[in-house]
Amino acid sequence: QSALTQPASVSGSPGQSITISCTGTSSDVARYPFVSWYQQHPDKGPKLVIFGVNNRPSGVSNRFSGSKSGNTASLTISGLQAEDEADYYCSSYTRRNTWVFGGGTKLTVL
Amino acid sequence: QVQLVQSGAEVRKPGDSVNVSCRASTHNFGGDYVQWVRQAPGRGLQWMGWFHPGSDGATYADDFEGRVTMTMDASSTTFFMEVSSLTSDDTAIFYCATCSSDAYLGCANWGQGTLITVSS
Repeated sequence: QSALTQPASVSGSPGQSITISCTGTSSDVARYPFVSWYQQHPDKGPKLVIFGVNNRPSGVSNRFSGSKSGNTASLTISGLQAEDEADYYCSSYTRRNTWVFGGGTKLTVL
Repeated sequence: QVQLVQSGAEVRKPGDSVNVSCRASTHNFGGDYVQWVRQAPGRGLQWMGWFHPGSDGATYADDFEGRVTMTMDASSTTFFMEVSSLTSDDTAIFYCATCSSDAYLGCANWGQGTLITVSS
C-alpha cells in the first residue's frame, strides 16, 4: 500500500489560511468517509484534529476543517497561529481493511 | 478518555525480537480498535496494523505481515505488539492508539510512545 501524497511543506503568516492536500486512490480516500488528520509537534505524539473527513474532536479549535473531493482530502487551518506550526498527517482507511498515512506536511508559521 | 501507558525504551540487536506493551485505563472497548504506528527518527508515521478486541483478531500492513503479532491480555486490558527479525530500520518510536467506531475510526487516544533501538 503506497503512502498517501501530501506536500512536504506549506507556510503562511499569522491570521492567514492554509490548505494541506492529501491525494489517494479509488481504493482508499475516494472510497470511504474514513479520513483522519493528525497534528504532531516536535518530540510529541500525534493528536487527532479531524476524523471522518470533516469532524472535529471535542477541544479542537474550529479553525481546523476538513473536506474531500474524489480521491483528494484537504485540511484547512484558518486564522493561523504560531501554535499551529507542526507536522500534519492524513490517514485513510483502505478496501483491504488497513490504513495508510500520508508522508506528512511541515507547516511553518512565518 | 482512555489513557494508554506503554512500556519503556529497549535496546535490541539485529535479528532479535521485542515485545511492546500498551496498558489501557478502560475495560470497555465496544467496537473500538487498537492500532500500532512506527515512526523512525525524523520520518513520518507508518501504520503497522490494528487489533480488534471484540473479535480478538488483527490485521497487519503488508510491510509487517509475518513479522509482527498483535495480541491482548483481556484480564489486564493490556495490548501487546511483538516485532521479530529486527533490523536497523526498526529503530523508531512505536505508538499504540485507540480508534473509535463512534468517530469514523479516528484515533483520539495515544500512548506516550516506546523507543526501540536496534544496534549491534
